Amino acid sequence: AQSVTQPDIHITVSEGASLELRCNYSYGATPYLFWYVQSPGQGLQLLLKYFSGDTLVQGIKGFEAEFKRSQSSFNLRKPSVHWSDAAEYFCAVGPFGNEKLTFGTGTRLTIIP
Amino acid sequence: NAGVTQTPKFRVLKTGQSMTLLCAQDMNHEYMYWYRQDPGMGLRLIHYSVGEGTTAKGEVPDGYNVSRLKKQNFLLGLESAAPSQTSVYFCASSRRDRGNPLSYEQYFGPGTRLTVT
Repeated sequence: AQSVTQPDIHITVSEGASLELRCNYSYGATPYLFWYVQSPGQGLQLLLKYFSGDTLVQGIKGFEAEFKRSQSSFNLRKPSVHWSDAAEYFCAVGPFGNEKLTFGTGTRLTIIP
Repeated sequence: NAGVTQTPKFRVLKTGQSMTLLCAQDMNHEYMYWYRQDPGMGLRLIHYSVGEGTTAKGEVPDGYNVSRLKKQNFLLGLESAAPSQTSVYFCASSRRDRGNPLSYEQYFGPGTRLTVT
């Protein structure tokens, strides 16, 4: 069965600092991998996704993520965070051809001035 | 395009009452999903549909029923609400394009906050 682990429940970062959110997945074949962001009181918005090819993918709002098969990881990064990045971030995994996604438990990001 | 819309936005029920949550999408998507979101548990799939007239169980289907009579609508019903069903419910939809895997993503509605007392 597929699964996703986001080991960090809550992260606090200073505005302008770099950010890395961790995501580890479990799946036998090449997975679909996604990062979604949820602002307070809102639905989820897709930041980026990976299926195959270049292991470093670029997303919206200046985010990027790197797929590392050997570590079963898909960590999200941003070189310099903005106060508007404060939100909850979800990693998700799903196999190609089966559109059911499994979500991680989320990481809440707080930005301090 | 309104995208994915959910009705209502908030609801308070007493234990044992019933209600239906409505999800509508105007993107002509084949797939639709209902999730619940609880603190510390992420999103869990309740039921989903791969097309009009078809539904299937997800990870946590007990206590819920669904119907997909029209392609654009996906209804989630609670026949006898319980306090354990207090949650935020999200609907999502996605297109089916097996020939272009990079096109795949789920689009989410704004959510319905349900409290059962």
